[in-house]
Amino acid sequence: GAVVSQHPSWVICKSGTSVKIECRSLDFQATTMFWYRQFPKQSLMLMATSNEGSKATYEQGVEKDKFLINHASLTLSTLTVTSAHPEDSSFYICSARPPGENTEAFFGQGTRLTVV
Amino acid sequence: QKEVEQDPGPLSVPEGAIVSLNCTYSNSAFQYFMWYRQYSRKGPELLMYTYSSGNKEDGRFTAQVDKSSKYISLFIRDSQPSDSATYLCAMSRSYIPTFGRGTSLIVHP
Repeated sequence: GAVVSQHPSWVICKSGTSVKIECRSLDFQATTMFWYRQFPKQSLMLMATSNEGSKATYEQGVEKDKFLINHASLTLSTLTVTSAHPEDSSFYICSARPPGENTEAFFGQGTRLTVV
Repeated sequence: QKEVEQDPGPLSVPEGAIVSLNCTYSNSAFQYFMWYRQYSRKGPELLMYTYSSGNKEDGRFTAQVDKSSKYISLFIRDSQPSDSATYLCAMSRSYIPTFGRGTSLIVHP
């Protein structure tokens, strides 16, 4: 299957600082990337859909000013958690979908964010 | 009612057992059905992907979709300790999947 690389795999930051997470599709061009959040023993909750060259589409209840998404190229999307708080601590996962119909999305390995 | 229901388990089975994992859903518009395996602190890995009712087999894994009952299953034959993980079902109308909460599977030697 296709490879999606997510970096970093874990990060610890202080409250009030910002953290950037990168998601790269290594062997295909991804016109659409997705960002999820997963709490322990819970399902993946879609935060936003990122389209190359346009603004991200955020799910209801997700603060767009807090979770900044940039999809600057066909192989890279970034999620920046701004002014992080301890309640933002979670597992963040991206996925990328190759172009075309009926194509499945491939997931990155996830980033565990801990805000102290 | 959630769109996708999945028992979180844990489901504990002995090595070699046949495992049955299930999800139900309420949205009849779902057309694509997936099963993912997720190890602890890792991203999900796609196991099976179908877009029709019926069975699909891949090695020790069989995915079953019953659209009339809004019920999907994943069967694992000859389960191994390395199969211990969380299994997430997912389904979608277009290309944005809705996930179940995952079932934790433990295969003990």
